[in-house]
Amino acid sequence: NAGVTQTPKFQVLKTGQSMTLQCAQDMNHNSMYWYRQDPGMGLRLIYYSASEGTTDKGEVPNGYNVSRLNKREFSLRLESAAPSQTSVYFCASSEAQYNEQFFGPGTRLTVL
Amino acid sequence: QKEVEQNSGPLSVPEGAIASLNCTYSDRGSQSFFWYRQYSGKSPELIMSIYSNGDKEDGRFTAQLNKASQYVSLLIRDSQPSDSATYLCAARPPGGFKTIFGAGTRLFVKA
Repeated sequence: NAGVTQTPKFQVLKTGQSMTLQCAQDMNHNSMYWYRQDPGMGLRLIYYSASEGTTDKGEVPNGYNVSRLNKREFSLRLESAAPSQTSVYFCASSEAQYNEQFFGPGTRLTVL
Repeated sequence: QKEVEQNSGPLSVPEGAIASLNCTYSDRGSQSFFWYRQYSGKSPELIMSIYSNGDKEDGRFTAQLNKASQYVSLLIRDSQPSDSATYLCAARPPGGFKTIFGAGTRLFVKA
């Protein structure tokens, strides 16, 4: 099993450009999450999907949109990138809401 | 604001010693607690989960939970240089999906 996979691993954008971060899990988990991690601030939840067909805002949703494409895939879109969105983005999944979360390898995004 | 607080460190211990990592949480109703290890440039990796008061042991790792004091700790016995990493504490408040992560404690194990 690959677990949680993310693409791309690295990305550099110019201010105003858009992009989609892809995430997939092969553990048959119901719930999926997108976090960003900034130095000294820990992991902050951007959006989550409790189950296929549902998505909800987390702590820092502004400037992002998500799509739960099917049970396996959960994508994060930046419509108009800003330098404040420079961060490391992690996707995670869990079997159910109270279970442990398993993280993907991350995407390192720089917005110039 | 629900919070999970950790000392940022670095915590430095000699090889073979016990490393003690501590965490406090603000939401008294939290029921699920997790410890993750994160190597530099890598993603968080789950080490332990704990749901009830007391100790839970897994190999060289022991998680301790005291809900009355709103305190969670992780002990690493026989610390090895390969344990050098940042350790993230996380708490799941009741209801919802929002696991709250601490900013992490950096551990350095000296050979």
